[in-house]
This record gives sequence, structure tokens and C-alpha cells, in this order.
Amino acid sequence: DAGVIQSPRHEVTEMGQEVTLRCKPISGHNSLFWYRQTMMRGLELLIYFNNNVPIDDSGMPEDRFSAKMPNASFSTLKIQPSEPRDSAVYFCATTLWGSGANVLTFGAGSRLTVL
Amino acid sequence: GNSVTQMEGPVTLSEEAFLTINCTYTATGYPSLFWYVQYPGEGLQLLLKATKADDKGSNKGFEATYRKETTSFHLEKGSVQVSDSAVYFCALGGSQGNLIFGKGTKLSVKP
Repeated sequence: DAGVIQSPRHEVTEMGQEVTLRCKPISGHNSLFWYRQTMMRGLELLIYFNNNVPIDDSGMPEDRFSAKMPNASFSTLKIQPSEPRDSAVYFCATTLWGSGANVLTFGAGSRLTVL
Repeated sequence: GNSVTQMEGPVTLSEEAFLTINCTYTATGYPSLFWYVQYPGEGLQLLLKATKADDKGSNKGFEATYRKETTSFHLEKGSVQVSDSAVYFCALGGSQGNLIFGKGTKLSVKP
């Protein structure tokens, strides 16, 4: 298994531009989580999906952020327009919900820099 | 609400020293508890877990015991190596399969 695959690994963009981060979960996993990591705030849960349905998006910082999971094999996190304070590492993590173990497998992350 | 508190870092140790990273939690019920490790430039990896009180999780020489009476899950290793240098996260399992993380503790091991 290739694990959780995130792209791009690094993105540098200018303020105001649209940013789209992508995640391919492990085959068979039915829960997907988007986390953001910064030095100041540590790991923050932004949103998570069970069986492609958004369950809790209370961590999404504001309307500029949106996430979709159109099918079991793909999710996107979009920021429009981007701002310098969005600079962070964004992680996607997946698990088999209902297995009782809460064991998340993380992708390598997408490092976003907004100038 | 549920939360995790772990000791502030950074922690700097010499090779072969004993390691303890403290973690305490607040939760309703008895959630599963985890330690994840993050090496530079990588995502988080599961290090060990415990699913009920008095369980001991262990892996790669690291251990942690789920203590219900003190609501703690301290991470220990008897003899650290340079390769253990990383950031360690304590986490608590939520009811929907999510994880609630502590802020992380950076460990640096010097030869």
C-alpha cells in the first residue's frame, strides 16, 4: 500500500491566490481528516469526513477554507483567497472508522507558504 | 471537552539517557490513548497505543501505561539514541474516530 498520498508537497504562492491541496486515502479507509500544523498552535483538526460525508467542520478557520470529498479515493482542501497567516503544513490522515482503534495514518503533508 | 496536556519542550538529552515525556488528559469515559512521533519533514507515525486502563503500549523500546487514577499516559524509554530525535505527540481518541493531540514535545538527543 502506498499510504496516504498528498500533493503538492510544497506550495509557494502569493496572497490572494487560490490554493488547492489534494489527498488520496488508503484504499478501504472510510474516514478522512485534514489537520493544520503551525509552531504557534500545534496540530489543529480542520474537518473530517466519514464515508465521504463531512461530519465536523468546526475547525475550519473561516469561509475562505473549504473541503470536499467527492468519492472514497480523493479529497481536496481549498483556500480562496489565501493569506500569509495560512502558511502552515497541512496533513491529511485516514482510518477505518468503526474498527474501534482510532489509529490514523498520516500523509507526508503539504507545506504551504503564502507570501 | 476532551483535551490533552503534555510537557513543554524542547527536551535535550545525551545518548543512553532515560527519557520521560509527561502527558495528562481530560475526557469523559475511557478513550484510547496514543503516542505519535514526527521525524523532520515527515508526517506523524503511530508509536504506541493503549485502549483501556492499565494497558501498557510499547514499541521500539518506548513504553506508556494508561493510568486512569492519575489520567496520565507518560512516555518512557530507558536509553535514548540519536535516531530518537523527533517531535512526540500524545493523543486521545474521540468518539468519531478523530484524535485530539497535545502540542508536541521536541526531543533532541546528542551523541
